[in-house]
Amino acid sequence: DAGVTQSPTHLIKTRGQQVTLRCSPKSGHDTVSWYQQALGQGPQFIFQYYEEEERQRGNFPDRFSGHQFPNYSSELNVNALLLGDSALYLCASSDRRGRRETQYFGPGTRLLVL
Amino acid sequence: GESVGLHLPTLSVQEGDNSIINCAYSNSASDYFIWYKQESGKGPQFIIDIRSNMDKRQGQRVTVLLNKTVKHLSLQIAATQPGDSAVYFCAETSMIKAAGNKLTFGGGTRVLVKP
Repeated sequence: DAGVTQSPTHLIKTRGQQVTLRCSPKSGHDTVSWYQQALGQGPQFIFQYYEEEERQRGNFPDRFSGHQFPNYSSELNVNALLLGDSALYLCASSDRRGRRETQYFGPGTRLLVL
Repeated sequence: GESVGLHLPTLSVQEGDNSIINCAYSNSASDYFIWYKQESGKGPQFIIDIRSNMDKRQGQRVTVLLNKTVKHLSLQIAATQPGDSAVYFCAETSMIKAAGNKLTFGGGTRVLVKP
């Protein structure tokens, strides 16, 4: 049973560029949440997708957008990258339809903005 | 919870001793709490969870205690092993559908197990 997978594992971009990160949820899960984790801090909630719609959003600017596909996989897009966007981006999945709300995390994508 | 930046609180424990990690949560409406373990370069790994209608839950070598009166959560690890060295985060959320289930994380505690 595959867990949550994310790609790429590492990414280097320059300021002003755009980036797309990808996530495949754990088998049987229908909900994907994205988190940003700065070095030495706890993860911060970006947004959550269920039934291909954004259901909840944290305190992040509109430069952060996402998408969920019919197969429940998800993308996180960040436009006009800033140095402060350098972080570990984590995807977590859960089974909302089955009322099992525990979120399981992927290994993350390490983004470095130069 | 508030993050503590680069200087995570650190708990040094001798191998074989018991560890206790504490967490204060912020939202009295939270009704579901989770402990995660994060090793260097990896994503958070689920350890144990507890709902607000319970005050104690046990797993394999781990116990979570919940005190709703003072909004405090603790994780006890029995017979700590070198593989337990990691950063531990508590997370809180609400199970009410309308609120969604975004997780709010505490700042984390680094556990170092000395051989």
